[in-house]
Amino acid sequence: DAKTTQPPSMDCAEGRAANLPCNHSTISGNEYVYWYRQIHSQGPQYIIHGLKNNETNEMASLIITEDRKSSTLILPHATLRDTAVYYCIVRVDNNNDMRFGAGTRLTVKP
Amino acid sequence: EAQVTQNPRYLITVTGKKLTVTCSQNMNHEYMSWYRQDPGLGLRQIYYSMNVEVTDKGDVPEGYKVSRKEKRNFPLILESPSPNQTSLYFCASRRASGSGQFFGPGTRLTVL
Repeated sequence: DAKTTQPPSMDCAEGRAANLPCNHSTISGNEYVYWYRQIHSQGPQYIIHGLKNNETNEMASLIITEDRKSSTLILPHATLRDTAVYYCIVRVDNNNDMRFGAGTRLTVKP
Repeated sequence: EAQVTQNPRYLITVTGKKLTVTCSQNMNHEYMSWYRQDPGLGLRQIYYSMNVEVTDKGDVPEGYKVSRKEKRNFPLILESPSPNQTSLYFCASRRASGSGQFFGPGTRLTVL
């Protein structure tokens, strides 16, 4: 599965949109982009996933570039409870491989 | 409520004393897996199971066993725990396709 690159840390003001980037330049055509987050030492939480179209759910939006080499997770109105490590993972659907990298530590500040 | 449960949540044990960490999901998911998380090393997969009676090694399987006799349960067995297995363990499950993983709350294990 393709490797991803994320910035190690980001800050965001409470109430503003948090835009978390992810590069996956070696992604192949059948690989999905998944996002998870982990708040402190809790179990990671699935956020959203997509293949090529942009996706939105109650938690976030996922924007995937047309060439699929990068994506952005958008938390539209960040709150203090969104402070967490965010992981971007690419994998083939129905494939086991789920390798978590270091992720981006997002800190939402008052 | 859809969930993955793990027991125990905290465990302190001694070297060589066999232990089992249970994992159960109520979502009828085909796929289940175990991870360990260590500072500086992130989440690493130990074992996974694509369905009942089908299990396979992840990245760090040494010192662990698993079984999948029923769809809902996926216990992690440490036959002879050692201090280097002190870690935070997570169980996860998902549908066979088109789904993200749902993680349990974690089990913090200390082996003295």
